[in-house]
Amino acid sequence: GENVEQHPSTLSVQEGDSAVIKCTYSDSASNYFPWYKQELGKGPQLIIDIRSNVGEKKDQRIAVTLNKTAKHFSLHITETQPEDSAVYFCAASIYWGLMFSGGYNKLIFGAGTRLAVHP
Amino acid sequence: DVKVTQSSRYLVKRTGEKVFLECVQDMDHENMFWYRQDPGLGLRLIYFSYDVKMKEKGDIPEGYSVSREKKERFSLILESASTNQTSMYLCASSSNEDRVFGEGSRLTVL
Repeated sequence: GENVEQHPSTLSVQEGDSAVIKCTYSDSASNYFPWYKQELGKGPQLIIDIRSNVGEKKDQRIAVTLNKTAKHFSLHITETQPEDSAVYFCAASIYWGLMFSGGYNKLIFGAGTRLAVHP
Repeated sequence: DVKVTQSSRYLVKRTGEKVFLECVQDMDHENMFWYRQDPGLGLRLIYFSYDVKMKEKGDIPEGYSVSREKKERFSLILESASTNQTSMYLCASSSNEDRVFGEGSRLTVL
């Protein structure tokens, strides 16, 4: 079935270094790839997303790349800061048909990466 | 500030008890979701609703039911709680592909 694999499960970096989290998806029809950040005691929050017609997207220190052929997408955080410490989830959307209402885009989540940024 | 509010942040229940988890959103979103979050397993979809009184099973619906009587409110019900339902439960809403999450309800079943 549909699956998203995320690596690494934990990542520890020094402040100022870069961090990279990688995800692989199984359904070639997936066309939307969001990344969520979950801080301690809070719900996940969308930080960046990318669609399948784009190869790269940047937002200040955060960037996401997508390789549709290989079915890989990655999150890149540059100049990491202690406040970047959190759990990060990738996801891939899959169209899911419904019995009575056409369909909707279901998100399949990776298992998460716990990022620790040390001062 | 738009919000998804989960009324109970922490609950402790006993095996066999009926448990209600409530979620309210103020964004007039059509879609609402209940996820379960466990370490190493990510977020798994329990149920979702695309309209009032409409619901669809997710990946792990066994042992759960839901209710959506009003557009802004989506409830998750554990008819008879079991210890393997100890987990973090996240409610979310959306009008498109994105999800806006609540802060979660951590349920412990003894």
